[in-house]
Amino acid sequence: DQQVKQNSPSLSVQEGRISILNCDYTNSMFDYFLWYKKYPAEGPTFLISISSIKDKNEDGRFTVFLNKSAKHLSLHIVPSQPGDSAVYFCAASVGNTPLVFGKGTRLSVIA
Amino acid sequence: GAGVSQSPRYKVAKRGQDVALRCDPISGHVSLFWYQQALGQGPEFLTYFQNEAQLDKSGLPSDRFFAERPEGSVSTLKIQRTQQEDSAVYLCASSLIRDRGLYEQYFGPGTRLTVT
Repeated sequence: DQQVKQNSPSLSVQEGRISILNCDYTNSMFDYFLWYKKYPAEGPTFLISISSIKDKNEDGRFTVFLNKSAKHLSLHIVPSQPGDSAVYFCAASVGNTPLVFGKGTRLSVIA
Repeated sequence: GAGVSQSPRYKVAKRGQDVALRCDPISGHVSLFWYQQALGQGPEFLTYFQNEAQLDKSGLPSDRFFAERPEGSVSTLKIQRTQQEDSAVYLCASSLIRDRGLYEQYFGPGTRLTVT
């Protein structure tokens, strides 16, 4: 039973446009959500996080939105750049506990 | 500053061999996590330390897997009598507990284990 789901295995976006990556979760106890970016042969790199007391967090080109009633979060990247091409993982936890990851979405930004 | 480092980066083991994977967390990070990532999947939790105490080992797939962090810094994940299904990337992450319990886990580059 997957507690964190990323239903789109891949996404292609033109350079300069918005990339929207989606994530759904089933465990209503999750109170901390993170997005990681992963390049081949490297470990995941932390991008941005949000706690359940907020519904939006922004950091430069990256914004994470949390909809608790729908158990849904999304990552918006604006504008998308070719260097953003990577696999993006959504992760969630209950407090300071191990993260539960989705399977990832491969983003390709086309120049 | 230095990030999380792991060694070796790549390991090929014959079925039945024992292996030891090392993780050096970011200095001062209290929590240390081990994850296993199979091809095409997200990382899956194996075990977790706070300082030298192993708080959760519920993700270890069998009693062939053993982890330790004796002095609360460097950690070693040991796999005895390796099997083909152990082939995966093993990721280590560390975190510093911040205010309001918010923290981020910082990952090392991983060790890719191939069991032949």
